[in-house]
Amino acid sequence: RKEVEQDPGPFNVPEGATVAFNCTYSNSASQSFFWYRQDCRKEPKLLMSVYSSGNEDGRFTAQLNRASQYISLLIRDSKLSDSATYLCVVNPTGGFKTIFGAGTRLFVKA
Amino acid sequence: DVKVTQSSRYLVKRTGEKVFLECVQDMDHENMFWYRQDPGLGLRLIYFSYDVKMKEKGDIPEGYSVSREKKERFSLILESASTNQTSMYLCASSTAVSSYNEQFFGPGTRLTVL
Repeated sequence: RKEVEQDPGPFNVPEGATVAFNCTYSNSASQSFFWYRQDCRKEPKLLMSVYSSGNEDGRFTAQLNRASQYISLLIRDSKLSDSATYLCVVNPTGGFKTIFGAGTRLFVKA
Repeated sequence: DVKVTQSSRYLVKRTGEKVFLECVQDMDHENMFWYRQDPGLGLRLIYFSYDVKMKEKGDIPEGYSVSREKKERFSLILESASTNQTSMYLCASSTAVSSYNEQFFGPGTRLTVL
């Protein structure tokens, strides 16, 4: 089993749709969690950190479920500019090493 | 703004050549990382460094070495390039404050080994 698993997609959604991605992790002691966004032929950039209480940033909501060992990302009112690959990232030990999922591709169409 | 730069965007080398990939960050970050990214596999950590002259193996260090002689610079070395090292190489840096540190990535080097 991979340490961090994501549905590779692609997810094809119309503008304005709500879309959700899940990511599961294998190490129950994992300390911190993130969603990164990677545009085509670009480097990954932090979208948001995921805290135990869940957090929201505009149209984006991230949640953590420690009991089931998954994190989720919800995007409301999708925009064309949301088309990208979304990477789930887990810090398993609290140190500096992080583990990246393979990413979920999202295409938002007009 | 944090800036992480990498020496080349595209590189073509021959099997057996020694290859140097350079990464420089300008934000005085303690931590620096080298990843490779392959389709379907995501980013895999090759090596990381948490201080000058300090290095730790990541998940796939075989065939690679690193050097960190100055805080701002982290080099990845392929001692004898092989075709299975054809990949996108990404460098990143972060502060050492907590485990919730953001990693800032360079633009990547697409290496092709013929």
